[in-house]
Amino acid sequence: GAVVSQHPSWVICKSGTSVKIECRSLDFQATTMFWYRQFPKQSLMLMATSNEGSKATYEQGVEKDKFLINHASLTLSTLTVTSAHPEDSSFYICSAETGESPLHFGNGTRLTVT
Amino acid sequence: GENVEQHPSTLSVQEGDSAVIKCTYSDSASNYFPWYKQELGKGPQLIIDIRSNVGEKKDQRIAVTLNKTAKHFSLHITETQPEDSAVYFCAARWAGNQFYFGTGTSLTVIP
Repeated sequence: GAVVSQHPSWVICKSGTSVKIECRSLDFQATTMFWYRQFPKQSLMLMATSNEGSKATYEQGVEKDKFLINHASLTLSTLTVTSAHPEDSSFYICSAETGESPLHFGNGTRLTVT
Repeated sequence: GENVEQHPSTLSVQEGDSAVIKCTYSDSASNYFPWYKQELGKGPQLIIDIRSNVGEKKDQRIAVTLNKTAKHFSLHITETQPEDSAVYFCAARWAGNQFYFGTGTSLTVIP
């Protein structure tokens, strides 16, 4: 149980375009979803926390107009990288929890902006 | 906020030996401590966790110990196998708060 599905697993896009990443909790209702960014050989950097039906809370330094997060249901959250640039290339990982721990992660999305 | 430090950053062991990874945390309110294993190109996978009302937890070859007084917790892997090679992250949180992650330990098990 406690499976989090993230799609796509990798995506290549051109500079200036937008990319949407989906995160679904398959067998549980996620009250909270977290979005992380991970640079090579580094730890997880929290970008934002989203609760179903409310606006996401962004960490300091994360541009909310660039990284749009929608958490429309208890099983789905999306991250849209708008007007992507090469510096947005990274590994993005979502995670979900029911509020009682533990935290379950998706398999990540490798974004490459050319 | 919470600050989690993790050591060592890299660890190499011979197959069959034990591996120990240590983490310290700063916020005494933290009460939940999970460990994650991340293989290359994949998301972290929970391997074991412990809550603050427990001092030790074991699951086959994996164990976690917690010392609340000293604010540190450790991951112990016995009889290591090549498939244990991965990056391991510790984390700490208190209820309702975000998870704070350590900087990761790259474990290599040499056949």
